[in-house]
Amino acid sequence: EIVLTQSPATLSLSPGEGATLSCRASQSVSSYLAWYQQKPGQAPRLLIYDASNRATGIPARFSGSGSGTDFTLTISSLEPEDFAVYYCQQRSNWPWTFGQGTKVEIK
Amino acid sequence: QITLKESGPTLVKPTQTLTLTCTFSEFSLSTSGVGVGWIRQPPGKALEWLALIYWNDDKRYSPSLKSRLTITKDTSKNQVVLTMTNMDPVDTATYYCALIAGGVVTNSWGQGTLVTVSS
Repeated sequence: EIVLTQSPATLSLSPGEGATLSCRASQSVSSYLAWYQQKPGQAPRLLIYDASNRATGIPARFSGSGSGTDFTLTISSLEPEDFAVYYCQQRSNWPWTFGQGTKVEIK
Repeated sequence: QITLKESGPTLVKPTQTLTLTCTFSEFSLSTSGVGVGWIRQPPGKALEWLALIYWNDDKRYSPSLKSRLTITKDTSKNQVVLTMTNMDPVDTATYYCALIAGGVVTNSWGQGTLVTVSS
């Protein structure tokens, strides 16, 4: 099973600041990595698929990069609605797996 | 507009079998490349893939739960059913179903259903 390790666990930032979230895979997942945003009481929302492709309707301030084992989600300038938990997920090998999440909180 | 909705009991007793139904609309599970997956999330914890089923009846199960899970589809009813046997309090979680298209998990998820396992 591929283990995804996200860092940091928590990111304390102010609106307008940029955010950089990391996801590292225990073995190569090629580019088969997605990023989700989840707010309390809601289902996850797909932001990025296949490492760098924005899902439909996702603002341009969200971008993804990386391949192989190291991936990054970048939020260029945090809006108030961006404070949430973010998960990465690989679909390279079954079982598909999620990381443990990074919480982006208001500083 | 594509929708998915999970239904089933909100409370089950330890050792009982859980049966969850995902009812969907505006897509067909007989279309090539389409699948439906189940994911769960214990309170305050991370997400976990449980199982998925594709249009061609190809099925995948989480290795750690494989002996307890069964996933089936009823194309005529637009439903996918997940059964989990021998429920335990650690299985308390919100259970989601989601649409998979072309191998990619889409943004179409159900709202989730919280299942509590308690005597």
